[in-house]
Amino acid sequence: GAVVSQHPSRVICKSGTSVKIECRSLDFQATTMFWYRQFPKKSLMLMATSNEGSKATYEQGVEKDKFLINHASLTLSTLTVTSAHPEDSSFYICSAISLTGDYGYTFGSGTRLTVV
Amino acid sequence: ILNVEQSPQSLHVQEGDSTNFTCSFPSSNFYALHWYRWETAKSPEALFVMTLNGDEKKKGRISATLNTKEGYSYLYIKGSQPEDSATYLCAPGRYSTLTFGKGTMLLVSP
Repeated sequence: GAVVSQHPSRVICKSGTSVKIECRSLDFQATTMFWYRQFPKKSLMLMATSNEGSKATYEQGVEKDKFLINHASLTLSTLTVTSAHPEDSSFYICSAISLTGDYGYTFGSGTRLTVV
Repeated sequence: ILNVEQSPQSLHVQEGDSTNFTCSFPSSNFYALHWYRWETAKSPEALFVMTLNGDEKKKGRISATLNTKEGYSYLYIKGSQPEDSATYLCAPGRYSTLTFGKGTMLLVSP
């Protein structure tokens, strides 16, 4: 079946630094990738939708300059948390839709970001 | 933003028990309802995608029903096993956007 590899699974960084999270679709081409964030005891909240070769569409309230999303190829999307602060500490997870259009979403395994 | 409610928030059952959870969502502008199983430290795994009112899908011991007119879906697990322990997420979707509930955390004790 379709697999999305997300790295790193955990990262600890210092305030003010930037962190890049990668999501790769391993055995299919992902026209669209979604980035979610989850706060403790809350639901997955959609941050942005990225389509290969175009700018990401951000949800209301998500700072596009803080959370840079790049979807340069059909198999790779990256989320960069710039100038991270402790309040950016959270769980981030991506999902992808394949070209087959079966309306199934394949998720990565998530990244736990801790900013100290 | 859709208001998606899942209940119960958590559930602890014994091996062999059957159980069910509820997902409630606004019935207007409905397109599809997704169910996922999410085990700790793993990727959410797609269980079902349902689109039609009255739809019922089954995968092994797990089944789901959908009522789009009243805005709810039930997920049933027959004869729960410890390996069923996970968080079960539902997500109604419109076009390509999914809105997730907080999930039901199921723990099945041997």
